[in-house]
Amino acid sequence: SQKIEQNSEALNIQEGKTATLTCNYTNYSPAYLQWYRQDPGRGPVFLLLIRENEKEKRKERLKVTFDTTLKQSLFHITASQPADSATYLCALDITGGGNKLTFGTGTQLKVEL
Amino acid sequence: GAVVSQHPSRVICKSGTSVKIECRSLDFQATTMFWYRQFPKQSLMLMATSNEGSKATYEQGVEKDKFLINHASLTLSTLTVTSAHPEDSSFYICSASDSGTGRETQYFGPGTRLLVL
Repeated sequence: SQKIEQNSEALNIQEGKTATLTCNYTNYSPAYLQWYRQDPGRGPVFLLLIRENEKEKRKERLKVTFDTTLKQSLFHITASQPADSATYLCALDITGGGNKLTFGTGTQLKVEL
Repeated sequence: GAVVSQHPSRVICKSGTSVKIECRSLDFQATTMFWYRQFPKQSLMLMATSNEGSKATYEQGVEKDKFLINHASLTLSTLTVTSAHPEDSSFYICSASDSGTGRETQYFGPGTRLLVL
């Protein structure tokens, strides 16, 4: 079955630096991969979707890459701010079009002043 | 746009009672809604897929008779935890895809914290 791995260790960085989070998966490559943000006690919020034929996607200070050879996606936040502190989840559609998402365990990011 | 609400946001109940959680898509129609459960420090685990007008599809290991799902309209799905026990205490989150614009992106509700005493 598809397994999704995210760094379980919390990531602490200084304000203004670039945060890079990793998502690795096993088995087949999905048609697309998504990143979500989750704050404590809240539901996830959709951030970005990247398709298998896209190498990179950007949205404001966010950038996602998708390497189907390495079976890895990287999520970057540039010019990080304390407000970016949250848990970031990657998710894959394991059914190939049915929109049935499997989530990674998430990486907690803390941006310090 | 694409707002999903859940009610209640928090519920405490006694063991053996049933609890109903509502999930509504406020500004779009959702043919399909999803119910997840999240335990502390863990990721979201899909429990079931709720299909408007038909029976829900449950994931392996999820008891359909314990977690009753009803998707009576294009904007409302309900999850009823029947005969709740302390081990059912968790954070329950629903999501929905906009039937009109595409099914790839899921919009999540704010979650319902259930505590069974």
